[in-house]
Amino acid sequence: EADIYQTPRYLVIGTGKKITLECSQTMGHDKMYWYQQDPGMELHLIHYSYGVNSTEKGDLSSESTVSRIRTEHFPLTLESARPSHTSQYLCASSEQGGAYDEQYFGPGTRLTVT
Amino acid sequence: QKEVEQNSGPLSVPEGAIASLNCTYSDRGSQSFFWYRQYSGKSPELIMSIYSNGDKEDGRFTAQLNKASQYVSLLIRDSQPSDSATYLCAVKVDRGSTLGRLYFGRGTQLTVWP
Repeated sequence: EADIYQTPRYLVIGTGKKITLECSQTMGHDKMYWYQQDPGMELHLIHYSYGVNSTEKGDLSSESTVSRIRTEHFPLTLESARPSHTSQYLCASSEQGGAYDEQYFGPGTRLTVT
Repeated sequence: QKEVEQNSGPLSVPEGAIASLNCTYSDRGSQSFFWYRQYSGKSPELIMSIYSNGDKEDGRFTAQLNKASQYVSLLIRDSQPSDSATYLCAVKVDRGSTLGRLYFGRGTQLTVWP
């Protein structure tokens, strides 16, 4: 099981502010993912990375950006927060080359934009 | 058509009963299937993975896969109130640039009453 950490756990912020959500994992997993989930709804993939300096957009255009400078670290940045960004953000990781690609999730960041 | 479909429920069973959760998927080439449990306000937790047709048992949980019918299910025997959660079905799709990503269903909410 992966050890994966997210900070902050909860964030309330005003419209227009720049936000960075942090995600780190200690298992050396090459693959990392960001999902967005609203209450009672499915997870939507917003960004993923298969390794250092590799990032791709997912299904949801959330006006966010990611970077992958170190294997263990995959931060998500919102340049200008809007109330529509209010949601739960979940980070996950899995092992590159693993036959089964089991993804393990961090505890999540619950973001509220006022 | 959604990649993964689940009956959203809610499903309500008495303590000690068998809970049966079902999932269908659209990509016939999918090879890996996962069940996650998500308690309210928490992040998804991987509980079962299955890759071959047939049954896979782990304690009170049994995952069943039928690739011909594109169907995967989760049985929970001797259900306990602590099993009350939303269960997410996820399917790994290897297709073009989305190599190795998971698609999630919306989840089935299970309530086990004492």
